[in-house]
Amino acid sequence: GENVEQHPSTLSVQEGDSAVIKCTYSDSASNYFPWYKQELGKRPQLIIDIRSNVGEKKDQRIAVTLNKTAKHFSLHITETQPEDSAVYFCAAIYSGSARQLTFGSGTQLTVLP
Amino acid sequence: SQTIHQWPATLVQPVGSPLSLECTVEGTSNPNLYWYRQAAGRGLQLLFYSVGIGQISSEVPQNLSASRPQDRQFILSSKKLLLSDSGFYLCAWSVPGGPNTIYFGEGSWLTVV
Repeated sequence: GENVEQHPSTLSVQEGDSAVIKCTYSDSASNYFPWYKQELGKRPQLIIDIRSNVGEKKDQRIAVTLNKTAKHFSLHITETQPEDSAVYFCAAIYSGSARQLTFGSGTQLTVLP
Repeated sequence: SQTIHQWPATLVQPVGSPLSLECTVEGTSNPNLYWYRQAAGRGLQLLFYSVGIGQISSEVPQNLSASRPQDRQFILSSKKLLLSDSGFYLCAWSVPGGPNTIYFGEGSWLTVV
């Protein structure tokens, strides 16, 4: 089955700086990679996703890049703000399969004012 | 649009007591349904998933069980709670045969005392 590793487990950045979270996956058949943000005490919410037919996707201050050859994908947050502080989870799956999303272990991002 | 409701939001239960958490999805038919657990400061652990009425797959053996009595209803139960059952329980749904994006309910905080 799929195995997703996520790094770092914790990340602190100064407000205004950029943050990068990296994930690697094991199943070369995986073709859908969502990212979730979970604020303290709340549910995880989808913030961006990417499919294997593109290498990069942006949405305002967040972007995700995918390297299929190396089997890794990354979340980039620019101009970080205190409200970006949360736990971020990456995930991977072969879209349309009966298998389930495999989540990374999460990254606690803290944006320092 | 689709919505997911989960209740109760919080509960405190004594060891050995029963548990029932309920989840319903509106605005879609035959969704894939999931129960996840998240221990404090930890990642997302898939407990059960269901692709249809009466079809339940268990990912982790434990003293919990799940049932799907109706198309859009998913119930998590236990006959006798353990201290280790404490955590944040999340119901979720996805479109069958779709991109496997999972949408989470607001979660239920369970404290076993």
